[in-house]
Amino acid sequence: DAEITQSPRHKITETGRQVTLACHQTWNHNNMFWYRQDLGHGLRLIHYSYGVQDTNKGEVSDGYSVSRSNTEDLPLTLESAASSQTSVYFCASSGGEAGYPEAFFGQGTRLTVV
Amino acid sequence: GENVEQHPSTLSVQEGDSAVIKCTYSDSASNYFPWYKQELGKGPQLIIDIRSNVGEKKDQRIAVTLNKTAKHFSLHITETQPEDSAVYFCAASFFGNEKLTFGTGTRLTIIP
Repeated sequence: DAEITQSPRHKITETGRQVTLACHQTWNHNNMFWYRQDLGHGLRLIHYSYGVQDTNKGEVSDGYSVSRSNTEDLPLTLESAASSQTSVYFCASSGGEAGYPEAFFGQGTRLTVV
Repeated sequence: GENVEQHPSTLSVQEGDSAVIKCTYSDSASNYFPWYKQELGKGPQLIIDIRSNVGEKKDQRIAVTLNKTAKHFSLHITETQPEDSAVYFCAASFFGNEKLTFGTGTRLTIIP
C-alpha cells in the first residue's frame, strides 16, 4: 500500500543546530507540503512543492528550507534551530483530481529545541 | 489569502447525541472543503469532503453541509460513539491552488 512516512518521530536538539526532518511518500504525488501544528493555531503551512525542483514558501517559512530532488522526498531543514520552532511537524502529499487536493499526512515529528 | 475560522475549539457530547462543528471561509473563490480527523499521536486523516457545486454530502453517520452565500460549512456527526473522540479540522482551497488552508481545530470528546 502507498504511504507517507516521516523520520524521526521524535527529536531533541539544541538551539542553533541545523536539523533536517525527512518525508518520503510512495503515492507518486507531485504535490508535497510541510505543516507545523501548535495549540491554538491548527496546521500552518511552512513550505510546499508542486514537483521536482519546485519549492514555495508558505505562511510561516522563516528559518526553514526545503529541497525537492525527486518525486518521493521533501526534506525540511531548520537552518539554526530556535525554541520557537519547538512543535509537531507534519508532512503531506496530495493527488486526485486537479483542483481538489486530497491530502495524505504522515505520522508527524515532534521536535523539541532546548 | 484564504482565512478559515472554526468553532467551537472544544466540544463535549453524550454518547449517542449529535455533534456539529462549524467553519467559515473568507475567499469566495474557494471551491473545495475537506474535513480531517486527527487521533492522538497520529496525522490528520480525510473523513469527508464537499465541492462548491454540492450543498450537502453524507457518508453513514457523517455529513457536511455548505452554504456558499454565507461562506460557511459544517460537519455533522450523528449517533456519536467513543471512537469519534478526536480533533477535527476543516480546510478550504480554490481551483488552481493545490494548497489547503486549515481551521484551528475542534477537540471533540464523547462522554460515555
